[in-house]
Amino acid sequence: SYELTQPPSVSVSPRQTARITCSGDALPKQYVYWYQQKPGQAPVLVIYKDSERPSGIPERFSGSSSGTTVTLTITGVQAEDEADYYCQSADSSGAYLVFGGGTKLTVL
Amino acid sequence: EVQLVESGGGLVQRGGSLRLSCAASGFTFSTYWMHWVRQAPGKGLVWVSRINTDGSGANYADSVKGRFTISRDNAKNTLYLQMNSLTAEDTAVYYCATLYHDFESYWGQGIMVTVSS
Repeated sequence: SYELTQPPSVSVSPRQTARITCSGDALPKQYVYWYQQKPGQAPVLVIYKDSERPSGIPERFSGSSSGTTVTLTITGVQAEDEADYYCQSADSSGAYLVFGGGTKLTVL
Repeated sequence: EVQLVESGGGLVQRGGSLRLSCAASGFTFSTYWMHWVRQAPGKGLVWVSRINTDGSGANYADSVKGRFTISRDNAKNTLYLQMNSLTAEDTAVYYCATLYHDFESYWGQGIMVTVSS
């Protein structure tokens, strides 16, 4: 079955830049969506279609794509950004969706 | 205000069945593909199933194919997940969600399903 690979954890100091990657063979053909999840809460969409930001999401969140890897970048990380981040996409057929394993962002 | 409210969760014995419901309001439910996503305790998000707008088509993760059935009633603005032959590996919080649709993503608060062995 299709898989998306994320690093389990990323640590960064406040005001620094955090980058979280997501890799998958079908990513050149399928969009990636990024979700932020804080403990005890439902996920929140922070990036859609690889690099678009929903209204209400701070400008410090951005996304980029290169081949089979997409990257979520948080520029000027704040303490409130500490959370789990998940990428989500689909297999090459588009019929089966998949989440990455999640990355725990720790703000030091 | 958009709301997705799951119900029907709880404790069930291994091999048993459970039907989850998700009541939607605040948006035009019949125009959205709908999904179920689950999260085992301390683990990541896992996509379970999706259904198209009129209920004529559905897809399932391999782990639930043949055991779970997704359905919807657009007249009642309600999404369902019938879960049969449950195992301990199905223990999780189950979310109903729209995932991405027209710049938005709506999720319920989640409902716990515990399968006892």
